[in-house]
Amino acid sequence: GESVGLHLPTLSVQEGDNSIINCAYSNSASDYFIWYKQESGKGPQFIIDIRSNMDKRQGQRVTVLLNKTVKHLSLQIAATQPGDSAVYFCAEGASGGYQKVTFGIGTKLQVIP
Amino acid sequence: DSGVTQTPKHLITATGQRVTLRCSPRSGDLSVYWYQQSLDQGLQFLIQYYNGEERAKGNILERFSAQQFPDLHSELNLSSLELGDSALYFCASSVGSSGEKLFFGSGTQLSVL
Repeated sequence: GESVGLHLPTLSVQEGDNSIINCAYSNSASDYFIWYKQESGKGPQFIIDIRSNMDKRQGQRVTVLLNKTVKHLSLQIAATQPGDSAVYFCAEGASGGYQKVTFGIGTKLQVIP
Repeated sequence: DSGVTQTPKHLITATGQRVTLRCSPRSGDLSVYWYQQSLDQGLQFLIQYYNGEERAKGNILERFSAQQFPDLHSELNLSSLELGDSALYFCASSVGSSGEKLFFGSGTQLSVL
């Protein structure tokens, strides 16, 4: 029978351009946000995180922006490379004892050489 | 390599059967998390253990159970398997218990026929 799967949002970007992947989170109590990258056949890999007392954090070629007013998170990848092709997940969690980290559905990034 | 080891990589079994998935966390990590990733549900949190004790539960079915042993490795037991249990099962580990910065294994692909 026909397989049914999540329709992942897909972002196609030319190699060398900047990529922006967006994520909306749902829990107002979330105060910790993480981006993960999942390459085909592998487990998710931590990229960068940010706490709610910040609105921007930079890593190597990546920047995460947090807008708590509209509960929006974005991941910016500078000078996108073919190796950046993957599914990117945002995840949210809340501090104060363990709060399960909830993952979004993911965005597929395709880098066009 | 994340340092998290999952075995087996692939598992094919029949409906009604029981299987055990194994996870060894990164050296020094006390928390182990189990996630299920399927085409129609995305990455779903199942359960977390911290230093041998259950810390948080997510969307884990009653047919599923897990434990963390004194050496900190963990096992996820899936019983009375159904076709819908076919999925990729990931184990992740972290130093603390708050769900921050998870390191994922490569997953176990379970196929129930």
